[in-house]
This record gives sequence, structure tokens and C-alpha cells, in this order.
Amino acid sequence: GQQVMQIPQYQHVQEGEDFTTYCNSSTTLSNIQWYKQRPGGHPVFLIQLVKSGEVKKQKRLTFQFGEAKKNSSLHITATQTTDVGTYFCAHGSGNTGKLIFGQGTTLQVKP
Amino acid sequence: KAGVTQTPRYLIKTRGQQVTLSCSPISGHRSVSWYQQTPGQGLQFLFEYFSETQRNKGNFPGRFSGRQFSNSRSEMNVSTLELGDSALYLCASSPTGDRVVETQYFGPGTRLLVL
Repeated sequence: GQQVMQIPQYQHVQEGEDFTTYCNSSTTLSNIQWYKQRPGGHPVFLIQLVKSGEVKKQKRLTFQFGEAKKNSSLHITATQTTDVGTYFCAHGSGNTGKLIFGQGTTLQVKP
Repeated sequence: KAGVTQTPRYLIKTRGQQVTLSCSPISGHRSVSWYQQTPGQGLQFLFEYFSETQRNKGNFPGRFSGRQFSNSRSEMNVSTLELGDSALYLCASSPTGDRVVETQYFGPGTRLLVL
């Protein structure tokens, strides 16, 4: 199946610094989704990208889908302690209900 | 609308036992997917059910099985538990299971510990 590699695995930042996580695939993806999981919680859907070169923003979060639809990134500007958690990218295979997740990037923010 | 609910939330079992986990999807959602989350393997797809039929299955041994009822509620069963089955088991629902157009909503999970 189509695997997605996510880097980095961990990131520690000082509050106010920026943060970026990257998701890469060797094959073209039909879509990419991003989820956030707080410590002790469950994945919560953030956004979905489907178009080549698509960029979407949610307040301090910026999501990009590459032109070739093989990579994606999530950028957080001026991190806050509330951003702490693990961010996962995932892609879905059509109408079969299956999501393939990246390994996740765990973000720690020092106040 | 109420969210996805899973029961029980925590479970402790011993090797060799079996376990049944339950998931109630969001009202109106007919697709239910199950995932296993472990620190080593991350989030892995187990299977998906739609209208009481398994449409897709991940790469797990036959000890892992599931079913879906006519009200879309789903159960998963793990027989002959092994230590490595200790994990957070997550259920997610969506209206039809179309990953391109639909958001998938996760439940809080069942944390299973096998001793």
C-alpha cells in the first residue's frame, strides 16, 4: 500500500517559535488529511487537502499539498502550549474507509 | 449530535483470553473503521464495516475480527490475546466511508492492557 513518511518524529520548541512537520510519499496521493492527538486523547481531524498545490490556513496553522501531490506540510506560527500533541498526516484510499497514517510528529512546547 | 462512543474505556486481560470491544458511531454514520495504536507501530488500520459488511481489512492476523449490526454499531473481537495486543483501539465513523470527501470522526478509544 501507499506509505507516508513523516518527519521529524519529535520536535521541542520554545513557546513563540515556529514548527513544521513534513509528510512524504513515493507515490501520488489522492488526498492528505491532518490530525492532532493531544496526550491521552484521540486523533481529531484538522483539515483535508485534495488539490495539487493547495494551501489552507486555520489561524496560526498553514497546510500545504505539494504540486506533485506527493508531499504535504503543516506549519504552526508562534507556537503556544496549547499546540502540544502529536500531529499525524494520513491519506485515504477511496471509498473503503481506510486511512493510512504517517508515524506522527510529537510537538513539545516549553513555556 | 453525540460523538463516537466506545466501551469499555479501559480493560485489563491476561494472555490467552479473548476480548470484545464496542463502538457506537455518530448517528447517521454507516461506515465504521477500527485502528490499533501502539508506540512502536503507530496508528494501523484494522478493518472497516459498512452496512454490516466488511469492506476492507488491514494486515492483522485472523485473531482480530469484527462485525457490524443493522444499527451501525460495531464490535471487534480479539481472541487468544498476546502481550503485543496491548494498545489503544480506536473506532472512527463517517457517513459512507469515502475518504476523499468525508471527515472521519474518532472515538476516545479503548485502552487494552494484556498481562
